[in-house]
Amino acid sequence: EDKVVQSPLSLVVHEGDTVTLNCSYEVTNFRSLLWYKQEKKAPTFLFMLTSSGIEKKSGRLSSILDKKELSSILNITATQTGDSAIYLCAVPSYRGSGNTGKLIFGQGTTLQVKP
Amino acid sequence: KAGVTQTPRYLIKTRGQQVTLSCSPISGHRSVSWYQQTPGQGLQFLFEYFSETQRNKGNFPGRFSGRQFSNSRSEMNVSTLELGDSALYLCASSPGLAGWYNEQFFGPGTRLTVL
Repeated sequence: EDKVVQSPLSLVVHEGDTVTLNCSYEVTNFRSLLWYKQEKKAPTFLFMLTSSGIEKKSGRLSSILDKKELSSILNITATQTGDSAIYLCAVPSYRGSGNTGKLIFGQGTTLQVKP
Repeated sequence: KAGVTQTPRYLIKTRGQQVTLSCSPISGHRSVSWYQQTPGQGLQFLFEYFSETQRNKGNFPGRFSGRQFSNSRSEMNVSTLELGDSALYLCASSPGLAGWYNEQFFGPGTRLTVL
């Protein structure tokens, strides 16, 4: 059965710290991995990583895909209180060559950044 | 472009009742996926609709059903509500094109409480 596992499940840091969130996956037909940020309700898209794009960066956030280790990390440098959220890792499910419209999510990492 | 909208935002029901939730996707998007989010299970895939057809279904009992209309709006229905159905129900829209992954955009969710 396909699965995605995130660690740690929760994390408390102080402003200015650097954090690393982990995501590992076991899925058939792997093609891409996504990171979302969920603050209040709707998860918002951060990054998509694929075989042709294994590293992405946006401001203080960056992410790397390690296809050999079947894992990805999300780094946040110089954390701010506004980074407090649930960070979700997800892998799209494919059947044959078809997109099934299903995302397999990890449990999420709850990050709290204290002033 | 307007985002994904979901109505209602909050619902309180009692056990045994049924409920209908609505999702309007981004204009031009033909795929709508539904997810249930609970603290214990995280985000779990319910089903996905594309052009009024259910293309994929998760591991939920038959009490959970859905449909999609010709304008791509989607509804999901839960009959004979149980306490364990209390959750945040999220829908996500995407272009739904076959083959490569299409990014999913999430709505704000409907918070269902079953008493």
